[in-house]
Amino acid sequence: GENVEQHPSTLSVQEGDSAVIKCTYSDSASNYFPWYKQELGKGPQLIIDIRSNVGEKKDQRIAVTLNKTAKHFSLHITETQPEDSAVYFCAAVYNTDKLIFGTGTRLQVFP
Amino acid sequence: ETGVTQSPTHLIKTRGQQVTLRCSSQSGHNTVSWYQQALGQGPQFIFQYYREEENGRGNFPPRFSGLQFPNYSSELNVNALELDDSALYLCASSPDRGTDTQYFGPGTRLTVL
Repeated sequence: GENVEQHPSTLSVQEGDSAVIKCTYSDSASNYFPWYKQELGKGPQLIIDIRSNVGEKKDQRIAVTLNKTAKHFSLHITETQPEDSAVYFCAAVYNTDKLIFGTGTRLQVFP
Repeated sequence: ETGVTQSPTHLIKTRGQQVTLRCSSQSGHNTVSWYQQALGQGPQFIFQYYREEENGRGNFPPRFSGLQFPNYSSELNVNALELDDSALYLCASSPDRGTDTQYFGPGTRLTVL
């Protein structure tokens, strides 16, 4: 069935360190994988996305990698800053209409 | 800022009542999706509208219904509210059906007592 697993559920890092969040999806037909950042009391904000014809995408301190064979994709944040603290969600699109979200990772960056 | 707005911000209802939530999509976006986000969980897909017609539905009962208007605003209606309907309701707009990229509004926090 449609499922996206996300790990870890919480992640604490020191400012300047890197953070990695991993997701696994179930449907091999999925071809679009966005990542969202959600701050307290706000809606999810798209931070980066990747399509199935690309293995890696980078935007400044944020990168996403995709392994279609293993059905894994990961978010990498380098040189973390306190303002990176938030809940991060991975998602995979199904049937071109709905996003199936992971359970979220609460990232805390300590100064 | 995504350009997607939702109203109201917060709402309190009692069990059995009906509620209407509103969303204004980003200019030029003809597709809107609605999601329910329970506390501590990821958003769950309710349904999607494309050019005023339903274009896909998640595992939600018929008492969850929607409308999309020609000006790309939309509504989510929930009848016979239950305690478990308490959640953050999010709408997301897309430039077109099948383009995948969805931009979320700030959400409406619904509390059912």
